[in-house]
Amino acid sequence: DGGITQSPKYLFRKEGQNVTLSCEQNLNHDAMYWYRQDPGQGLRLIYYSQIVNDFQKGDIAEGYSVSREKKESFPLTVTSAQKNPTAFYLCASRQDRVDQPQHFGDGTRLSIL
Amino acid sequence: GNSVTQMEGPVTLSEEAFLTINCTYTATGYPSLFWYVQYPGEGLQLLLKATKADDKGSNKGFEATYRKETTSFHLEKGSVQVSDSAVYFCALSWIGNQFYFGTGTSLTVIP
Repeated sequence: DGGITQSPKYLFRKEGQNVTLSCEQNLNHDAMYWYRQDPGQGLRLIYYSQIVNDFQKGDIAEGYSVSREKKESFPLTVTSAQKNPTAFYLCASRQDRVDQPQHFGDGTRLSIL
Repeated sequence: GNSVTQMEGPVTLSEEAFLTINCTYTATGYPSLFWYVQYPGEGLQLLLKATKADDKGSNKGFEATYRKETTSFHLEKGSVQVSDSAVYFCALSWIGNQFYFGTGTSLTVIP
């Protein structure tokens, strides 16, 4: 079955450490997205990519970085510059058409040690 | 600009009650509209969609009709179950890969 795989499901970060969240899709979608969700809150867009080797900042990109070297993969790095990284991170992908929905992974929960 | 405004929660209903979650949108042109559901600790799942005016999306007993005249896409279910307890998000899709989510509405169904 096609889908989006996020790993790990739980991740812990020490102070001053960078961590990378993995997102892989086998849906052959061009567009991929990263969102942050805080408890009881909605989704906030961190970064998105419409094509390989290209990506754009979303609403809360500071303290995060991404790469898009392959169509299937869109890893997110939470850097030490992100002072409040504890949150639930969701990756999504989508066929680049207005009538197509975003498809989501199961998320990664990041906590500070 | 484009946006989605969603009914604030939380919403608490008894089992078998009728559910309505309001969603209105602002958009130029004719966007596509979606409802997603999120269970605790999981990602969002597509519940239903509608891509043009007067379309009705339906799935698992949930329905929503794309109303251009009122710019609305309200989610309804005739008889909710405890298993419907989740957070529901309304979303809008537009050209240029623009995708907008509402703030989410938490639903709790009590036996």
